[in-house]
Amino acid sequence: GNSVTQMEGPVTLSEEAFLTINCTYTATGYPSLFWYVQYPGEGLQLLLKATKADDKGSNKGFEATYRKETTSFHLEKGSVQVSDSAVYFCALSVMDSNYQLIWGAGTKLIIKP
Amino acid sequence: NAGVTQTPKFQVLKTGQSMTLQCAQDMNHNSMYWYRQDPGMGLRLIYYSASEGTTDKGEVPNGYNVSRLNKREFSLRLESAAPSQTSVYFCASRPLGNYNEQFFGPGTRLTVL
Repeated sequence: GNSVTQMEGPVTLSEEAFLTINCTYTATGYPSLFWYVQYPGEGLQLLLKATKADDKGSNKGFEATYRKETTSFHLEKGSVQVSDSAVYFCALSVMDSNYQLIWGAGTKLIIKP
Repeated sequence: NAGVTQTPKFQVLKTGQSMTLQCAQDMNHNSMYWYRQDPGMGLRLIYYSASEGTTDKGEVPNGYNVSRLNKREFSLRLESAAPSQTSVYFCASRPLGNYNEQFFGPGTRLTVL
């Protein structure tokens, strides 16, 4: 079946630290991969996406590369800010599931000044 | 362009009461979704509608019904609310196309006493 596994949180970092949030997946077929972010008290927003192997999605200083050989889509940022504090969700969609999103459990990120 | 809108933002019900959560999108998207989000459990799909006139069960449909009133609107009904339905409910929509992401509303926070 299709599934997404994310590293458990919370992840606590100091401002300007390097961030990695791990995400691995299992999927039938060729999934599209997404990172969504949820700021406190808000809905989910798409952060970035990648639709085929070796694609790199990027936005707001965040990056993730679609690695088919390791079935991973790790989220990285070179220098985090307090405003990056949020919950980050990794997700995939596949055609044979009618493009439903399969979600990871989310990783809470806390950035301390 | 309002995107995905949800009403109400907050609601408190007593056990056994009924209510309908409303969702509308103005982006001409074909597919619409209802999720619930509980602490530590990520997002779980309740029902979805791949296109106007069709609805299908998701992972946790028990205790809920949905109506795809037209292309814009997708409502979620709780016929007899239970404390286990206390949650934050998100509506989302998605355009046609293999690689497209879902767009989320701001959520409805529901408490059942």
